Amino acid sequence: DVQMTQSPSYLAASPGESVSISCKASKSINTYLAWYQEKPGKTNKLLIYSGSTLQSGTPSRFSGSGSGTDFTLTIRSLEPEDFAVYYCQQHNEYPLTFGSGTKLEIK
Amino acid sequence: QIQLVQSGPELKKPGESVKISCKASGYTFTDYAMHWVKQVPGKGLKWMGWINTYTGKPTYADDFKGRFVFSLEASASTANLQISNLKNEDTANVFCAREGPYWDPRFAYWGQGTLVTVSS
Repeated sequence: DVQMTQSPSYLAASPGESVSISCKASKSINTYLAWYQEKPGKTNKLLIYSGSTLQSGTPSRFSGSGSGTDFTLTIRSLEPEDFAVYYCQQHNEYPLTFGSGTKLEIK
Repeated sequence: QIQLVQSGPELKKPGESVKISCKASGYTFTDYAMHWVKQVPGKGLKWMGWINTYTGKPTYADDFKGRFVFSLEASASTANLQISNLKNEDTANVFCAREGPYWDPRFAYWGQGTLVTVSS
């Protein structure tokens, strides 16, 4: 199975700042990496897939990069609604696996 | 619009069974596979497996073989998950999630989750 190591597990930032979250795969997953946002009372939201492709409706302040084993989610100029939990997921092979999550909180 | 609506929370005793439903709307149900994902409260996401909504064939992740059954009521655009012989460690929020186009297992659509609590 592909192990997904996500870091940091916790991140505190202020609105307007930029942050990055890392996701590392235990073997190459090509570019098949998705990022999700989890917020209380809302269904999980797909932000980015295939490493860098923005899902329809994802604001342009979100960006994804990487290939092979190393991936990054960057959020520029944080908005209040961005404070949430973020997960990565490899969609290259079965079994599908997720990172352990990053909780982004307001500083 | 596309929606996945799951059945309500369940409180069960160890050894009992539970059936969770996921009703899809806004698209042709048999065009996209349905996946199931487990989340222990306060923890991360774990993929349980998926069901081909066209053929009905289920595929289970290793940790979910034996007591877990994926099924369909295709005429009702509904996917079901039944868990038998419930254990305390089955306590979790369980999500259905629709696969993307071209058999790409990325999940643009999720159910709201069904909390299963197993307690004596």
